[in-house]
Amino acid sequence: EVQLVESGGGLVQPGRSLRLSCAASGFTFDDYAMHWVRQAPGKGLEWVSGINWNSANIGYADSVKGRFTISRDNDKNFLYLQMNSLRAEDTALYYCAKDGTSPNNYYYMDVWGKGTTVTVSS
Amino acid sequence: DIQMTQSPSSLSASVGDRVTITCRASQGIRNYLAWYQQTPGKVPKLLIYAASTLQSGVPSRFSGSGSGTDFTLTISSLQPEDVATYFCQNYNSGLSFGGGTKVEIK
Repeated sequence: EVQLVESGGGLVQPGRSLRLSCAASGFTFDDYAMHWVRQAPGKGLEWVSGINWNSANIGYADSVKGRFTISRDNDKNFLYLQMNSLRAEDTALYYCAKDGTSPNNYYYMDVWGKGTTVTVSS
Repeated sequence: DIQMTQSPSSLSASVGDRVTITCRASQGIRNYLAWYQQTPGKVPKLLIYAASTLQSGVPSRFSGSGSGTDFTLTISSLQPEDVATYFCQNYNSGLSFGGGTKVEIK
């Protein structure tokens, strides 16, 4: 069974950092690009970042560019999101998602984790 | 950046009704469009990719069409389990989601 399990969320003060992790299983991890997508309470979906299979192709939403860093460890089957200089507007449920089709680029998401909640507040 | 605009933002229909949701891109995205369903309290689920290709396991009452800037998601016969919010997503140039359409039963 394909499974994605996020961890690392929590309550953090504005300006501080947090690192999210996503453990992948049930598929060949380095055959696919991966994504982070977030959803603020009661709001819609926002793509945050994507990474291709070998980390050579990485993209970010303008709202997080320069503050967040995506990475992956293909040996351990893990995806990460390092979040620095956190703001109140980063408060959301953060989903890890598998790309539906491509190792080389990030397109759409066919498998989603249950998410980890990040709350930025003093 | 490409903006995705969905309409309506919400709708109410009867069981068995045909339901159509529209998604418009601010510039042409070929057929690089996906649709997702998010039932209350659940994780988003991929319904359609490449504008019209049904994801494996998705009921055939769901269909998608369109190319360029205008796209539609159609539910041919609304069922109670289809109560959800539906999102479109561009993946042609950057990645961006529409604001969502909430579907309820009348």
